[in-house]
Amino acid sequence: AQTVTQSQPEMSVQEAETVTLSCTYDTSESNYYLFWYKQPPSRQMILVIRQEAYKQQNATENRFSVNFQKAAKSFSLKISDSQLGDTAMYFCAFMNWGQGAQKLVFGQGTRLTINP
Amino acid sequence: DAGVTQSPTHLIKTRGQQVTLRCSPISGHKSVSWYQQVLGQGPQFIFQYYEKEERGRGNFPDRFSARQFPNYSSELNVNALLLGDSALYLCASSPWRGNTEAFFGQGTRLTVV
Repeated sequence: AQTVTQSQPEMSVQEAETVTLSCTYDTSESNYYLFWYKQPPSRQMILVIRQEAYKQQNATENRFSVNFQKAAKSFSLKISDSQLGDTAMYFCAFMNWGQGAQKLVFGQGTRLTINP
Repeated sequence: DAGVTQSPTHLIKTRGQQVTLRCSPISGHKSVSWYQQVLGQGPQFIFQYYEKEERGRGNFPDRFSARQFPNYSSELNVNALLLGDSALYLCASSPWRGNTEAFFGQGTRLTVV
């Protein structure tokens, strides 16, 4: 079974700083996808960034980038120039097509607070 | 375009009762998945439906069931509610089974007393 571990329950940084959230996962699959989702107080899960395991190049979306280390099974999220609106729970998630289902496996989350 | 809509937003039920949660996917999306998010934890997969058939089931008891209708909307039913069923129930839709991007609704907060 796949597992996702986020070792930082909470983090706090000042506005405009850079912050890195950690994530490790465990799987025996070779083809899979990794995601970072953001969940603000409104509760809706919002996709931040996605990485295909077969791609060596790290994904980037504006201020958000990942450091994907496949051999180490590590998938960290870097937020540059952090903004107050980045305050939220962040979840790392893994997906493959086990038994034909499109199933996301989530970590326990990191609560990120951006301070003014 | 409307996003994924879930109803109701909140509800309170008594132990032993039954509850039905509803989800309308984004127009054109044929896959609907359900997740349970207990307070302080990440969401856990319950079911996926695609083209009105169950395509996957998580590690949940038979008290949990779901179905998908011809218009691709979905219902999640939970029978014989337990206190531990109190959680945020999230619905996610995607255009087709192989598409990796899941679009989430705002969830239904269920409290069992």
